[in-house]
Amino acid sequence: EADIYQTPRYLVIGTGKKITLECSQTMGHDKMYWYQQDPGMELHLIHYSYGVNSTEKGDLSSESTVSRIRTEHFPLTLESARPSHTSQYLCASTQGTANTEAFFGQGTRLTVV
Amino acid sequence: DAKTTQPNSMESNEEEPVHLPCNHSTISGTDYIHWYRQLPSQGPEYVIHGLTSNVNNRMASLAIAEDRKSSTLILHRATLRDAAVYYCILIQGNEKLTFGTGTRLTIIP
Repeated sequence: EADIYQTPRYLVIGTGKKITLECSQTMGHDKMYWYQQDPGMELHLIHYSYGVNSTEKGDLSSESTVSRIRTEHFPLTLESARPSHTSQYLCASTQGTANTEAFFGQGTRLTVV
Repeated sequence: DAKTTQPNSMESNEEEPVHLPCNHSTISGTDYIHWYRQLPSQGPEYVIHGLTSNVNNRMASLAIAEDRKSSTLILHRATLRDAAVYYCILIQGNEKLTFGTGTRLTIIP
């Protein structure tokens, strides 16, 4: 049973607004990830973290930022939303070794109008 | 990073077995082979993983070639609910988790 949660599930927001997408997991996992995915397209890694106070940019450049102040929480922030940010954002966590599975949240579908 | 190659799409009839191939000719000795799938409008979910030996779980079986340069995900009896994009991924050590394009599996009723 996956214990990783994303809120909100859906968000429609105007251009220029600041938004924070929440991701929380209760499994004590060190590694957490954020992916961006357009409909029918690939999952692109935009941020990841190996633990508290550790954040790295992923393979796809993103204007979003992340923080990891607590193990269980990995929020993603857009300071000024634009229509080009419209996409689905997926969060994942894993214990961190190659011999363990990753768990994904249900995603946040963001629409910027 | 070691890469994987999968067919873009496959079709299978309902209630028949499905064999999803994955080539990973540059795999290293410490790479684990993972499979995830993404159902429509959902986040990916773990299916199975292995290192050298074949693996079975309640969802699927993973057959790994003796030289480890390829693997096959086997769904023993496909249902309509198995229609998804299936991703074959290699992971070693502390590597980040990245996805390719995967195989879009269509189940024909």
